[in-house]
Amino acid sequence: KAGVTQTPRYLIKTRGQQVTLSCSPISGHRSVSWYQQTPGQGLQFLFEYFSETQRNKGNFPGRFSGRQFSNSRSEMNVSTLELGDSALYLCASSFGDGGDYGYTFGSGTRLTVV
Amino acid sequence: GNSVTQMEGPVTLSEEAFLTINCTYTATGYPSLFWYVQYPGEGLQLLLKATKADDKGSNKGFEATYRKETTSFHLEKGSVQVSDSAVYFCALKHTGNQFYFGTGTSLTVIP
Repeated sequence: KAGVTQTPRYLIKTRGQQVTLSCSPISGHRSVSWYQQTPGQGLQFLFEYFSETQRNKGNFPGRFSGRQFSNSRSEMNVSTLELGDSALYLCASSFGDGGDYGYTFGSGTRLTVV
Repeated sequence: GNSVTQMEGPVTLSEEAFLTINCTYTATGYPSLFWYVQYPGEGLQLLLKATKADDKGSNKGFEATYRKETTSFHLEKGSVQVSDSAVYFCALKHTGNQFYFGTGTSLTVIP
């Protein structure tokens, strides 16, 4: 079956712009989480959605937002981009109450801010 | 708070060598513990997990035992292959669905 699909794979944006990243979870998965991966900070939790509701949010500024649609697809948005937002953004989905099932990760969207 | 500490890399081993990657955690109560692997250019793949003390997770020849007394979840493999070259992440999940990841350990296996 298809895995977690993230689009686009690569993105280059200019400081001050905004960006929207998309994630299509595995069919039937209702839990979607987003992580930011950077060489300096490692993997940091952004937010988690379950059945269209944000259940948990990491320690990121309000410029980072997300949502989940009724078909479980999710988007995250970053406004007023800063150079430090350059990172690999990973989406992960799970069938049920994520953790004990383990998450399946997508290949990520590589965002470069110039 | 919750956190995971894993050994610094990079680790370089010859094929068929024994692998240990140390992982310790800090958490209240009884978290679930995971090992994920990331191959170049890809996302993270679940390698194995353990959800309670003394559980042993295993997959593809890799093993890790949840040791509550030492708050550890060390990853081991008896004989590594070149195809095992990747970055390995230890992680915990406590309440909610938020994972806390270690910084990752890069493994290179040479023929």
